[in-house]
Amino acid sequence: DAGVIQSPRHEVTEMGQEVTLRCKPISGHNSLFWYRQTMMRGLELLIYFNNNVPIDDSGMPEDRFSAKMPNASFSTLKIQPSEPRDSAVYFCASTRDHYTGELFFGEGSRLTVL
Amino acid sequence: AQSVTQLDSQVPVFEEAPVELRCNYSSSVSVYLFWYVQYPNQGLQLLLKYLSGSTLVKGINGFEAEFNKSQTSFHLRKPSVHISDTAEYFCAVSDITRLTFGEGTQLTVNP
Repeated sequence: DAGVIQSPRHEVTEMGQEVTLRCKPISGHNSLFWYRQTMMRGLELLIYFNNNVPIDDSGMPEDRFSAKMPNASFSTLKIQPSEPRDSAVYFCASTRDHYTGELFFGEGSRLTVL
Repeated sequence: AQSVTQLDSQVPVFEEAPVELRCNYSSSVSVYLFWYVQYPNQGLQLLLKYLSGSTLVKGINGFEAEFNKSQTSFHLRKPSVHISDTAEYFCAVSDITRLTFGEGTQLTVNP
């Protein structure tokens, strides 16, 4: 079985540009999570979806960030406009049974905003 | 509200030595507990989890953890580490409504 697939693996962009990160969860998993990891702040939950519906977006930093899950096999995290402080590794994770089950993480998208 | 505290940010050890990575949590309700490992340039993967039953939980790669309700701890142990165990380890707690990760402990195994 393929794991969680994220793209791009690396993205370098300039301040002010739009960034779109993509995630394909494991088939059959009904919960999807977006995390951000930095040295300073550690691992932060940005948003999670259950059955394609956003349940908790309290971790989304500000209006520049938006996430969608149009169907069970695809999600995007968009940053517009991007800023240098958005530089981080963004992880997508999915699970069949959130909170009592195992989260399966993708390999992450490393974003650098110059 | 719940929280997780990993007591050591960095743990250096020599190969074949035993290791313990400490994790304490706080919660007003019953919780589920997890340890995840992150190897360089990879996502996190589950090492082991405690949902109920025996308080001693065995995971992959020879790791085990013990749930201690009275001390609200879930320390991770391995009797003999390998170079390949060098990674960051995250303790996590769930009260059903939310999964919270600790800050992580960098384990470095030296030859």
